Amino acid sequence: EIVLTQSPGTLSLSPGERATLSCRASQSISSTYLAWYQQKPGQAPRLLIYGASSRPTGIPDRFSGSGSGTDFTLTISRLEPEDFAVYYCQQYGGSPLITFGQGTRLEIK
Amino acid sequence: QIQLVESGGGVVQPGRSLRLSCVASGFTFTRDAVHWVRQAPGKGLEWVAVMSPDGGIKIYADSVKGRFTISRDNSKNMQFLEMNSLRDDDTAVYYCARDPITGPPDYFDYWGQGTLVTVSS
Repeated sequence: EIVLTQSPGTLSLSPGERATLSCRASQSISSTYLAWYQQKPGQAPRLLIYGASSRPTGIPDRFSGSGSGTDFTLTISRLEPEDFAVYYCQQYGGSPLITFGQGTRLEIK
Repeated sequence: QIQLVESGGGVVQPGRSLRLSCVASGFTFTRDAVHWVRQAPGKGLEWVAVMSPDGGIKIYADSVKGRFTISRDNSKNMQFLEMNSLRDDDTAVYYCARDPITGPPDYFDYWGQGTLVTVSS
């Protein structure tokens, strides 16, 4: 069973700073099958990254994804006030079929 | 404009049943799979179930297997989640979400606003 572990649990930063969020898989997964989501209170998740590094149309380029094997990273190059939220990674295609990490809360310092 | 709208949530006693609906619009419903994902209060996301567009394949999370049934009506662009033998730990916001890639399950590019299911005596 593939377990995704996100770190840190909470990240406290200021607007303008760079954020680095980690997602570690318990076994190697194809980079094709890793996505990142942003969720704000009371809202549904929003897709930020798929295929480990691809951005859907409309996602600002300050969001970038990287990684392979068991270690993946979401980077926000320069934090905007609207970026403070909870972030989840997701793997698809493994066993079980789909799993999410437990989330990283990005809060304003 | 792609939209997914869930309904059917509410308060239900343990052991009882509830049926959720998801109405889809703005995309080819007969081509794309729609998944159910849930989120317990204050907790993370948990994938629940998916059904292939032609209805031939249904896959469930172990936590709901044997209790939940997924179905769809392609003529109405609707997908359903029949939830039986509900337990306290089924309490969650239930989202339907679109998988934009034909074939094995992938990521979710559009989500509904969610419907809250509360299991309580």
